[in-house]
Amino acid sequence: DGGITQSPKYLFRKEGQNVTLSCEQNLNHDAMYWYRQDPGQGLRLIYYSQIVNDFQKGDIAEGYSVSREKKESFPLTVTSAQKNPTAFYLCASSIDLGLRGTHNEQFFGPGTRLTVL
Amino acid sequence: QKEVEQDPGPLSVPEGAIVSLNCTYSNSAFQYFMWYRQYSRKGPELLMYTYSSGNKEDGRFTAQVDKSSKYISLFIRDSQPSDSATYLCAMRTGANSKLTFGKGITLSVRP
Repeated sequence: DGGITQSPKYLFRKEGQNVTLSCEQNLNHDAMYWYRQDPGQGLRLIYYSQIVNDFQKGDIAEGYSVSREKKESFPLTVTSAQKNPTAFYLCASSIDLGLRGTHNEQFFGPGTRLTVL
Repeated sequence: QKEVEQDPGPLSVPEGAIVSLNCTYSNSAFQYFMWYRQYSRKGPELLMYTYSSGNKEDGRFTAQVDKSSKYISLFIRDSQPSDSATYLCAMRTGANSKLTFGKGITLSVRP
């Protein structure tokens, strides 16, 4: 089955701890994204990556870090510097960034719900 | 003013009703317009995509874009309980795939 997997589905963190959320895709997509969704809010972009070993900050990158060592994987670390990390985190991928001006659909994973205790 | 505004909801309708979901936006550079459907505790899935102005129909769903008014709509005909979900509008400029989302509206279709 092709698609995007995220793990774990639920994650609990104590204050002051760093946690890493996993995102894997087997769609052979170049571009990957991390979003945060809060109740009653739209999705907000945290980080995105166009290609392996390259990534860019989104709108709300503070307190987060990412890596892109493999095309298939784009893990997100929520650090202790993130003041309000409780949220639903969504990973997405697309064929590329659409820099040629073409539409390309973003496919989303099932999400990870992070709760800070 | 936020770049994308979406009717806040929630919205509850009887089965078979016609549903109209709307978003307005302020950035005239947006060219690609999307509607995503998100079931509870799941990731969003692309429902409709429209480039520039006009209408696009897919089964019971119609997406409408009016760029002169900076207004997009999603119409659902003969609504079904399985349509109960949160609907998010999203849009982007032609330069890259950074999507700007509305807040989403939760629709409940009563049997």
